[in-house]
Amino acid sequence: QVQLVQSGAEVKKPGSSVKVSCKASGGTFSNNTVSWVRQAPGQGLEWMGRIIPLLGLGNYAQKFQGRVTITADKSLSAVYMDLSGLRSEDTAVYYCTVMSMVVTGWFDPWGQGTLVTVSS
Amino acid sequence: IVMTQSPATLSVSPGERATLSCRASQSVSNNLAWYQQKVGQAPRLLIYGASTRATGIPARFSGSGSGTEVTLTISSLQSEDFAVYYCQQYNNWPPTFGQGTKVEIK
Repeated sequence: QVQLVQSGAEVKKPGSSVKVSCKASGGTFSNNTVSWVRQAPGQGLEWMGRIIPLLGLGNYAQKFQGRVTITADKSLSAVYMDLSGLRSEDTAVYYCTVMSMVVTGWFDPWGQGTLVTVSS
Repeated sequence: IVMTQSPATLSVSPGERATLSCRASQSVSNNLAWYQQKVGQAPRLLIYGASTRATGIPARFSGSGSGTEVTLTISSLQSEDFAVYYCQQYNNWPPTFGQGTKVEIK
């Protein structure tokens, strides 16, 4: 089973953008759909969007439409989540995770998480 | 689909049974997963298909139910089971999570 390794913590100013990476260790994402899920401090889990790396097709939760872009590199070994127009409410741990089926499904495995702090 | 978990917090003594509930605002059939999350860690898949244990998950974890009411039961709580548990539906797009149930030591 592929393991997911995410980039390190980020501190960003309001209005800026952040790009978080998720790399496949021990394989590639060629047969997977990769989603991003975030968790604000002390809060629950919130699905943001997903990408089918082989096709380069992304779908996003309505809440994040226009602010989030999920991409994959051509080697199919890394996926990226770009969030723009950052505000304090975007302070959260961002997880990448593999969706069990192309269209939908459960999530397994998960990356270790990347803390993004938005502060002036 | 809105997923509502109850209770928000469950206080249980080690060795006792814990029953966690998850209610969906509309039927999710058996397209329901459960996750365990410990402090500072990523969620871990426990159950999918409402009742199928993921690889390596102990038999004391069991899932039941379908439609709008599903349940996670931990038959005999071990010290490592005290954590927050989330349900997630994948019957409808987009996938949605419950707000979580914290299982704490009584």
